Amino acid sequence: DIQVTQSPSAMSASVGDRVTITCRASQNINNYLSWFQQKPGQVPKRLIYASSNLRSGVPSRFSGSGSGTEFTLTISSLQPEDSATYFCLRHNAYPWTFGQGTEVEIK
Amino acid sequence: EVQLVEFGGGLVQPGGSLRLSCAASGFTFQAYAMHWLRQGPGKGLEWLSAISSDGIRTYYADSVKGRFASSRDNSKNMLFLQMGSLTPEDMAVYYCARDLGGSEFLDYWGQGTLVTVSS
Repeated sequence: DIQVTQSPSAMSASVGDRVTITCRASQNINNYLSWFQQKPGQVPKRLIYASSNLRSGVPSRFSGSGSGTEFTLTISSLQPEDSATYFCLRHNAYPWTFGQGTEVEIK
Repeated sequence: EVQLVEFGGGLVQPGGSLRLSCAASGFTFQAYAMHWLRQGPGKGLEWLSAISSDGIRTYYADSVKGRFASSRDNSKNMLFLQMGSLTPEDMAVYYCARDLGGSEFLDYWGQGTLVTVSS
């Protein structure tokens, strides 16, 4: 199976900071990678699909990029409500695999 | 309004079985592939299973293959997960989610149902 490595596992940043989270796949997965946000006690929410397509209603400070084996989720200007855990999901072929998650804390 | 509601979770002994259900409404259920996912206590997300819109094709994570089985009843807008040979490692909140690809890729999830495996 294709493995996905997400980094960092946790981070702390200030409001207004630019935040970047990375997922690396062990093989080429084209653009079959999506990003999810999960706030404590809530259901995961899909933010981005197919590497870079932002879900309607998601703030434009969120963006995704990448293709092949390396992908990034960027928050251009971190806001207090962005405190959450972020997961990537590889979905080019079954079985799908999630990244380990990145917990983003606001300083 | 799109709604997915899971139920059927609860306490089960190791080695036991449980059947989860997911009731769908507010969209054309029979057009969508559906997925089961889970999250163990304090853990990350794990994709478990997918079932095609017509119910013919199913796919599973290695961790549940041979123990879990997905099915659906499109006439009743229902999705099911039959779970067997449960171990404490299966203890988690179980979610169903819909998938039509593109902007409707895992865009709606249920609230989840908790499965506890303990003697």
